[in-house]
Amino acid sequence: SQQGEEDPQALSIQEGENATMNCSYKTSINNLQWYRQNSGRGLVHLILIRSNEREKHSGRLRVTLDTSKKSSSLLITASRAADTASYFCATANQAGTALIFGKGTTLSVSS
Amino acid sequence: GAVVSQHPSRVICKSGTSVKIECRSLDFQATTMFWYRQFPKQSLMLMATSNEGSKATYEQGVEKDKFLINHASLTLSTLTVTSAHPEDSSFYICSASGGAGGSYEQYFGPGTRLTVT
Repeated sequence: SQQGEEDPQALSIQEGENATMNCSYKTSINNLQWYRQNSGRGLVHLILIRSNEREKHSGRLRVTLDTSKKSSSLLITASRAADTASYFCATANQAGTALIFGKGTTLSVSS
Repeated sequence: GAVVSQHPSRVICKSGTSVKIECRSLDFQATTMFWYRQFPKQSLMLMATSNEGSKATYEQGVEKDKFLINHASLTLSTLTVTSAHPEDSSFYICSASGGAGGSYEQYFGPGTRLTVT
């Protein structure tokens, strides 16, 4: 079963604009991760934010976590055409072993 | 960083045949490996979790007799789709976890595109 729900499902922006994707989850978590998947490819780990963290930065990525609302957001600043991909949030399953992925947001950045 | 490979990257097979997909951790010992399935324009769905030397744990709704998983060594897990049907056509992705096997230490393979005709 899926844990997270991302919105929007699809997002189209111009190069240079910022892209914000949101993820909501259902159960308590130890951490939440964001991944990127280029079409037909494997997953690339972007960033992990722990439950005791509220915000984390990595390059042009900014992730926030609100455990009271069970939600997280991924902000990509100054987007590039190469950022075109699907983005997924993921949290651990109940056993704490495997990852449960959200439905994902498909981002399209046009130049 | 840790590297996980999958073989083959693409496979086309006829309905009724079996297909084996390999997942290898190239530079670390993977105590736990995970298999996911992804249909077009959808998210990854966990199929099963396998620990080296023991039977895989399947998610609800995943037929263990159809999707045979073997994790015989710390660097190799295989997924065999038996008696494949067109509805099994999907993108199969494995991931591997080493050390304590926490879910936040997973490394993903590049995926295998299975097409059943």
